[in-house]
Amino acid sequence: DVKVTQSSRYLVKRTGEKVFLECVQDMDHENMFWYRQDPGLGLRLIYFSYDVKMKEKGDIPEGYSVSREKKERFSLILESASTNQTSMYLCAGQGGANTGELFFGEGSRLTVL
Amino acid sequence: SQKIEQNSEALNIQEGKTATLTCNYTNYSPAYLQWYRQDPGRGPVFLLLIRENEKEKRKERLKVTFDTTLKQSLFHITASQPADSATYLCALPAGSSNTGKLIFGQGTTLQVKP
Repeated sequence: DVKVTQSSRYLVKRTGEKVFLECVQDMDHENMFWYRQDPGLGLRLIYFSYDVKMKEKGDIPEGYSVSREKKERFSLILESASTNQTSMYLCAGQGGANTGELFFGEGSRLTVL
Repeated sequence: SQKIEQNSEALNIQEGKTATLTCNYTNYSPAYLQWYRQDPGRGPVFLLLIRENEKEKRKERLKVTFDTTLKQSLFHITASQPADSATYLCALPAGSSNTGKLIFGQGTTLQVKP
């Protein structure tokens, strides 16, 4: 079975801390994504990577950066966490061609105090 | 930019009835559209993809239609069951070029009562 694994299901961090959210896929996918999901706002794209070391900003990249050093791993970094970054973070890999379905991880619920 | 509208009000129906969920978009017609199911606390799971040249797609009890004139997709679940209760999301390409980026609607929550 296809698998996208997010390293932490629940995290609690303090304002100003640096936060790493890790995502690993076992499908050899080129494209990987980070979304955040908030009530009433739906899923919003933070960053997108279409190859190793290649990335593109999504709709809400401010306050975030990403790293893709290996094809299977796509990391989201919050350089200095703020309370408005409390959210559910979802990583996805994209199957097949660019029209392919997204395979999501289980999500990482981050609370910033 | 492309905007997606899904009914934010929950849809409550009786078991055995057909559930119909709506996805409207406002800008250019996408080359395809996808539907996902999301259970509470879990990541979305892909259900169906329909392309712009397809009027209808079926998978078991699921049916999706795509009307590029109305800028609308309808998602039907026939003979609904309580296990179908979930939030359903539609997704479209983020731009007119085929980069693979998807944007999502807010989702409609379906509650099927026994």
